[in-house]
Amino acid sequence: GAGVSQSPRYKVAKRGQDVALRCDPISGHVSLFWYQQALGQGPEFLTYFQNEAQLDKSGLPSDRFFAERPEGSVSTLKIQRTQQEDSAVYLCASSSGTGFGYTFGSGTRLTVV
Amino acid sequence: GQNIDQPTEMTATEGAIVQINCTYQTSGFNGLFWYQQHAGEAPTFLSYNVLDGLEEKGRFSSFLSRSKGYSYLLLKELQMKDSASYLCAVDQTGANNLFFGTGTRLTVIP
Repeated sequence: GAGVSQSPRYKVAKRGQDVALRCDPISGHVSLFWYQQALGQGPEFLTYFQNEAQLDKSGLPSDRFFAERPEGSVSTLKIQRTQQEDSAVYLCASSSGTGFGYTFGSGTRLTVV
Repeated sequence: GQNIDQPTEMTATEGAIVQINCTYQTSGFNGLFWYQQHAGEAPTFLSYNVLDGLEEKGRFSSFLSRSKGYSYLLLKELQMKDSASYLCAVDQTGANNLFFGTGTRLTVIP
């Protein structure tokens, strides 16, 4: 597609609920990144894929967070047993390679109540 | 450790010039990015500096000094639509991601 598409745009989850956030990157982009952005803060790295391989997951805050990109295009970020501290905007970005600028999606705003 | 410092907030007048500073201490350096982010929207790319000096692109310019760990974004002829957050981000050697500062929220007033 023309840009990075994320869905849903907004998600309200009850504490303890599982959620799945989708990212559809720019067609042909090899690299895909997930970031978490708290209110008034800069994006913080969660995980990185090169094609279908998850090469770096050092930023995932706990084992409740899981990401996949099984066919090297669409990616899903799953959060199990959501907690209030998980409330944030989750940004997906794609790039044609490392060292190039990212194109970000508009993000999914997750609110855990 | 690694750190990026930017002012939290700035206010400037329409038509004026504003300079947003960024200092960084990171483990390795490949380049520095500036992104603009309007409230509730995606960050959008503004500039990328690899070598020391000034890169000019229309009303926006970005400067880098690698020896000082310092960059600035210069916005000229400010417009109301320039009210946004400006994010400084470093591409670190050996890292697979960009390391972002907390961003500077710029408010342009009439």
